Amino acid sequence: KQEVTQIPAALSVPEGENLVLNCSFTDSAIYNLQWFRQDPGKGLTSLLLIQSSQREQTSGRLNASLDKSSGRSTLYIAASQPGDSATYLCAVSPETSGSRLTFGEGTQLTVNP
Amino acid sequence: GAVVSQHPSWVICKSGTSVKIECRSLDFQATTMFWYRQFPKQSLMLMATSNEGSKATYEQGVEKDKFLINHASLTLSTLTVTSAHPEDSSFYICSARDAGTGLETQYFGPGTRLLVL
Repeated sequence: KQEVTQIPAALSVPEGENLVLNCSFTDSAIYNLQWFRQDPGKGLTSLLLIQSSQREQTSGRLNASLDKSSGRSTLYIAASQPGDSATYLCAVSPETSGSRLTFGEGTQLTVNP
Repeated sequence: GAVVSQHPSWVICKSGTSVKIECRSLDFQATTMFWYRQFPKQSLMLMATSNEGSKATYEQGVEKDKFLINHASLTLSTLTVTSAHPEDSSFYICSARDAGTGLETQYFGPGTRLLVL
């Protein structure tokens, strides 16, 4: 059974800092890995999707890397802003079905002005 | 593009009543939709996969008679929580996969918060 772990569970940083969120998964037979953002009481916004054959994806100040063999992914946020405050979730899908997502418990990020 | 809506966004009901939650893909067709549940401070747990025109596939531990799923069209799936009890209080989120792209990307709805008194 796939298990996804995110570290840290919570993170508080001053505005402008660069930061790294970590995600690990136990079964390396994945189809893809996604990073999502969730604001309090809201649904999910997809940030980045990395196919299993890819090593990283970038979107603006966000960069996600994937090391499939070691079961790890990182989300790098550059020059953090208060608007980045949210819970960040990573999710993986198995090779057998690209849609069946297993989520981590998230990292709650607070960026202080 | 790729917008998924849910209705209602909030619902409060008495114990024993049934509650229906709708999930719609607004600008694309979705042959497959997914229903998740999220308890406070916890992550999303997949409840079931809803396929248009066929029976839903439920995850282990999810009672299919309690959580009725209907996917009657390519843009609408409904989740009915039957005889709801306080322990069913949770945040329910649906997602949909765009049938036209052939990609595995899921688009998520804004969620429905259910409180059972």
